Amino acid sequence: GENVEQHPSTLSVQEGDSAVIKCTYSDSASNYFPWYKQELGKRPQLIIDIRSNVGEKKDQRIAVTLNKTAKHFSLHITETQPEDSAVYFCAASRSDTGTASKLTFGTGTRLQVTL
Amino acid sequence: DGGITQSPKYLFRKEGQNVTLSCEQNLNHDAMYWYRQDPGQGLRLIYYSQIVNDFQKGDIAEGYSVSREKKESFPLTVTSAQKNPTAFYLCASSLSRGNEQYFGPGTRLTVT
Repeated sequence: GENVEQHPSTLSVQEGDSAVIKCTYSDSASNYFPWYKQELGKRPQLIIDIRSNVGEKKDQRIAVTLNKTAKHFSLHITETQPEDSAVYFCAASRSDTGTASKLTFGTGTRLQVTL
Repeated sequence: DGGITQSPKYLFRKEGQNVTLSCEQNLNHDAMYWYRQDPGQGLRLIYYSQIVNDFQKGDIAEGYSVSREKKESFPLTVTSAQKNPTAFYLCASSLSRGNEQYFGPGTRLTVT
């Protein structure tokens, strides 16, 4: 089955700096890579996702890059703010039309944005 | 917090008792999922269902059971056979042909 590794497990940055979280996956057939943000005691919420037919996607201060050859993808947050502090999870799945998406999650990165 | 709901938010049970966690969605999603989250770990898939009356085991199904009698509902039973049931349980749903999964608020189960 799929295996997703995520690094680092904790990350502390100063407000305004950039943060980068990296994930690798094992199944070359995986084609969908979402990133979720989870605040303490809350539900995970999708912040950005990328499919295997593109190499990069941006949404304001957040971007995700995908390297299919190396089987890794990364989350980039620029101009970090205190409200970015949370746990971030990467995930991977292979989805075929008409089937459910079995997401395999990384172990999470706790991001702390300090003033 | 509409869309997908879970109840209760906190649940306490004695060891040896079965307990059922509720998950309801009004998003008209075909697929529903149950995940378990332990401290410092990612989410692990317990069971998933693509359509009514159909479900498949995920990566950690032992000690759990589910049913999908209605499109809107996907209850999870944690049985006494589950060795370490204390955890945060998250339900999710998605369109069967899409990928984005929407999560419920979770149920924190404590078994003593």
